[in-house]
Order: sequence, then C-alpha cells, then structure tokens
Amino acid sequence: AQKVTQAQTEISVVEKEDVTLDCVYETRDTTYYLFWYKQPPSGELVFLIRRNSFDEQNEISGRYSWNFQKSTSSFNFTITASQVVDSAVYFCALRGEYGNKLVFGAGTILRVKS
Amino acid sequence: DTEVTQTPKHLVMGMTNKKSLKCEQHMGHRAMYWYKQKAKKPPELMFVYSYEKLSINESVPSRFSPECPNSSLLNLHLHALQPEDSALYLCASSPGQGKGAYEQYFGPGTRLTVT
Repeated sequence: AQKVTQAQTEISVVEKEDVTLDCVYETRDTTYYLFWYKQPPSGELVFLIRRNSFDEQNEISGRYSWNFQKSTSSFNFTITASQVVDSAVYFCALRGEYGNKLVFGAGTILRVKS
Repeated sequence: DTEVTQTPKHLVMGMTNKKSLKCEQHMGHRAMYWYKQKAKKPPELMFVYSYEKLSINESVPSRFSPECPNSSLLNLHLHALQPEDSALYLCASSPGQGKGAYEQYFGPGTRLTVT
C-alpha cells in the first residue's frame, strides 16, 4: 500500500522566516513519483514540482527548494524568506509507477504573518 | 499554457435538482479526472477518463455521472444529491496516463452546496 504522511498540521511563521514542510512516504514500487501542490484560499491546486524516484537531485526554484532523500523516504519542501502570499495548504503526493491515482498527504496549513 | 477551466465556480442545488459541472482543457492531455474535496481534507479521486473512456471509478454513488464528450471536455452530471455531497469538486488533466512521469494539472474547482 502507498501512504504519504505530513505530520505538521499547521505552521505559523513571520514573514521572511524560512520554513520547511515535511513529507514522508511509503511505497513498494521501485519507480514512483512525488509531487508538491499548493492550495491557496481560492481553492485551486497549483502544481509545484514532480520528482522521479530515480532522480535524487535536489532542486531549487527561486525561494523554493526540495530535498529528496530515498534513504529516509522523505521529500521535504523549504520556503526561504517566506512571504504572506505563501500562506496556503501544501499537499505532498505520491503516484506509483503504474496507474493514475495520486495518494495525497493530509496537507500542511502554512500561515505567514506580516 | 497549463490551464484547466471549470464552470460554474459556485453552485447551490436542492436535493431534487439535476445539474452539471463542466471542465475543459486545451493542452492536448489524454487523461482527465474528477476529485471531491471536503473542507480541511485532501482531494479524493472519483473518476479517471483516459482517451475519452472511463478507466477508473472509485466506487462513486450513481447520483454522480461522468461524461467525456471529447478529449477536451469533461462533465459531471449531478442528480438527487445529498447534503453530505457538498464539497469542492476539482477537475484535473494530465499529458499521460498509467505508467510514466507526468503531473496532473488542476482547475479552480466548483464549490457545490446541496440544500
């Protein structure tokens, strides 16, 4: 069975602080795909990143960075110098090698205060 | 352009009404999805269409009826809904389906309230 755990239910930070959102996953597939999505109050799920299991390179995109560690089955997401616009629910998700189904974590609510 | 559009944005319907949700994408994607999301929960998959054919039905009650008229359009027909069906309904599409590296792109959703 596949499972994604986002242990942090809610995080509050002050603007310009760095924040890391944790994601731990379980799967028996040797090839799998990990995703992060952002859901602002408007409701739309915004795709942020896909990481393939066979590519362990970390990635940086502006203020966002992702740390994929197969050894600990984790795919953590760091926002540097957070801004109020980063306030949203963030979902980590997993999809196995075959099939269309995304397995989502419970989500982490991020509140960035000015 | 990674855009999925959904109409209407908001819908209020009675339990005896019949209504439809619409979703459209022009990215040439081969798979389209319906998700249901309750407040403070992650999205739950309802249906998957692949090449305009229904490939996954996650044991959704028959009062929800999906339809894929063509490769760009996806509808969700609603009939005799219950108040507990009130939720955000999200449509998504993806360039691939089944095996392979691809992501799903989501629309803005329809907020449905059943009275």
